[in-house]
Amino acid sequence: DSGVTQTPKHLITATGQRVTLRCSPRSGDLSVYWYQQSLDQGLQFLIQYYNGEERAKGNILERFSAQQFPDLHSELNLSSLELGDSALYFCASSVTGLPLHFGNGTRLTVT
Amino acid sequence: AQRVTQPEKLLSVFKGAPVELKCNYSYSGSPELFWYVQYSRQRLQLLLRHISRESIKGFTADLNKGETSFHLKKPFAQEEDSAMYYCALSNTDKLIFGTGTRLQVFP
Repeated sequence: DSGVTQTPKHLITATGQRVTLRCSPRSGDLSVYWYQQSLDQGLQFLIQYYNGEERAKGNILERFSAQQFPDLHSELNLSSLELGDSALYFCASSVTGLPLHFGNGTRLTVT
Repeated sequence: AQRVTQPEKLLSVFKGAPVELKCNYSYSGSPELFWYVQYSRQRLQLLLRHISRESIKGFTADLNKGETSFHLKKPFAQEEDSAMYYCALSNTDKLIFGTGTRLQVFP
């Protein structure tokens, strides 16, 4: 168990809808990272937060947003969902820097 | 641009055979490289990092700066090694992943 908790495990929703994925980092970890894993794109870095502030941005669509709360948990919001957003979304955390410790992921299916 | 290339999508071997999973990178500075493993739809787990120079589950990887490679090797594959393997490069404090190689070890 890496200590990184992601909920829900699975999410099935329709196109056009909005969902929120939640991540609780390991105790003591200040950084939270979001990655998208899809069959054709592999693992893509989306965004990183450090102690509540956005630290780095990757290939994150404008329809997606994230935040990290004072208790250090993070939420990834995906809106106007499209079929192509179906993927496994991983959260990872670290104290600072590397290595990253990953959660079990949330599998999103958009129908 | 920083990039990690894993040229093989799938590598199939028989139990007891040697394994080499290839990873090449492009990076302008001094890279820090990692191998992560993902067993059957589970979370990614750190397998190796080059600075620790250790062997985990019989796997080793050597950073070759001249060839910009960080290939993962194991002399005798086991069935339980079947998984997705991702090579990753650190860019400040985030990881850039390759597309992964699926290792299948047949009995």
